[in-house]
Amino acid sequence: DTAVSQTPKYLVTQMGNDKSIKCEQNLGHDTMYWYKQDSKKFLKIMFSYNNKELIINETVPNRFSPKSPDKAHLNLHINSLELGDSAVYFCASSPIGQPTSLANTGELFFGEGSRLTVL
Amino acid sequence: QKEVEQDPGPLSVPEGAIVSLNCTYSNSAFQYFMWYRQYSRKGPELLMYTYSSGNKEDGRFTAQVDKSSKYISLFIRDSQPSDSATYLCAMSVTGYSSASKIIFGSGTRLSIRP
Repeated sequence: DTAVSQTPKYLVTQMGNDKSIKCEQNLGHDTMYWYKQDSKKFLKIMFSYNNKELIINETVPNRFSPKSPDKAHLNLHINSLELGDSAVYFCASSPIGQPTSLANTGELFFGEGSRLTVL
Repeated sequence: QKEVEQDPGPLSVPEGAIVSLNCTYSNSAFQYFMWYRQYSRKGPELLMYTYSSGNKEDGRFTAQVDKSSKYISLFIRDSQPSDSATYLCAMSVTGYSSASKIIFGSGTRLSIRP
């Protein structure tokens, strides 16, 4: 039973198109994230949501729009895709900030990633 | 200058060797230090977590933090081929807030030769 699941795993698309990636977690966490990992493996935070509310919004182009319909889901929509958007996008969740013993480390639980290739 | 610097490798060592992986950082406010392991085509998984300075041991893995030098290390004893992965250091200023940003290093690719 997958804890953090992302779909699709692979996306190949043309420049200028719009695409979405979906993420769901069944861990009961309040906080979810989107991270971008480039070809050099550098993992950079893009957004975080806590209980459907946007908490962290890094300097990401506004072509990227996250949406959290409920605390178990965080989707990422990307408009007008560019070559530089090619990367692996990871969704993650964390018990950080929750008043439970699980919150002690603020550990991030990652999905398997969605590999986006823009041609 | 990036907040967290990590040698990308690749690092290749024979099975059974002791491996040392390191990161330096510039933000003296970091207090929580982590090591994540990422296998090929998978998401990162938390391996070790330490708060403030000192050592922490977990089986064959030892995490070391030297806040005065802004330097953290991960040691792997008796390395196994199954340890072959990319190791990412990570750190944050606060540990318990949902506004806490975890900043990652660029990862070191490690290969253990049988």
